[in-house]
Amino acid sequence: DADVTQTPRNRITKTGKRIMLECSQTKGHDRMYWYRQDPGLGLRLIYYSFDVKDINKGEISDGYSVSRQAQAKFSLSLESAIPNQTALYFCATSDPGRNQPQHFGDGTRLSIL
Amino acid sequence: GNSVTQMEGPVTLSEEAFLTINCTYTATGYPSLFWYVQYPGEGLQLLLKATKADDKGSNKGFEATYRKETTSFHLEKGSVQVSDSAVYFCALSDPGSGGSNYKLTFGKGTLLTVNP
Repeated sequence: DADVTQTPRNRITKTGKRIMLECSQTKGHDRMYWYRQDPGLGLRLIYYSFDVKDINKGEISDGYSVSRQAQAKFSLSLESAIPNQTALYFCATSDPGRNQPQHFGDGTRLSIL
Repeated sequence: GNSVTQMEGPVTLSEEAFLTINCTYTATGYPSLFWYVQYPGEGLQLLLKATKADDKGSNKGFEATYRKETTSFHLEKGSVQVSDSAVYFCALSDPGSGGSNYKLTFGKGTLLTVNP
């Protein structure tokens, strides 16, 4: 089983709909992150959480919200989806510290029509 | 602020060719540096890392040396294979304003295609 699991893997929906992307991990890491990937733009950080009671905005948080339900679960919501939120979304986890790598899920491909 | 600049792709090579993907960075502190690889349909995987100046990270035949004087972390491989076809991301981990608030800043990625 994957250490970082994202659901769904693919989603097509319409403008204005509420969407939730879910992430769960079995690595025991305290830190979790949500990124979006767009062609030519690399990965941009949406939100991150350093423990269950900690939520922080990343560089592109507008239009998104998150919930850290437990150490192992971190969900991303689009309250009212718009077409320019069409992207590939990744969840990642890590231990604390500057030398610690992040471990990524396989991504959710989201298309908003 | 922090930033990472990678050479733009796509890069297309023949099997057994030498690979270099350039990466330079700007950081406010003393970052750790990483290369991640993304195979088609998958998430990013750590390829190698270096945590201080002059460190060399290596894995699967890939190498990169942390050069503080040129703020660079170029990825190299002596003989690429078809299976190396992927997107490669350079990244740095730096606390920015201080403390333990380490996050990754990524470059835009370089698509490598290796032909038989």
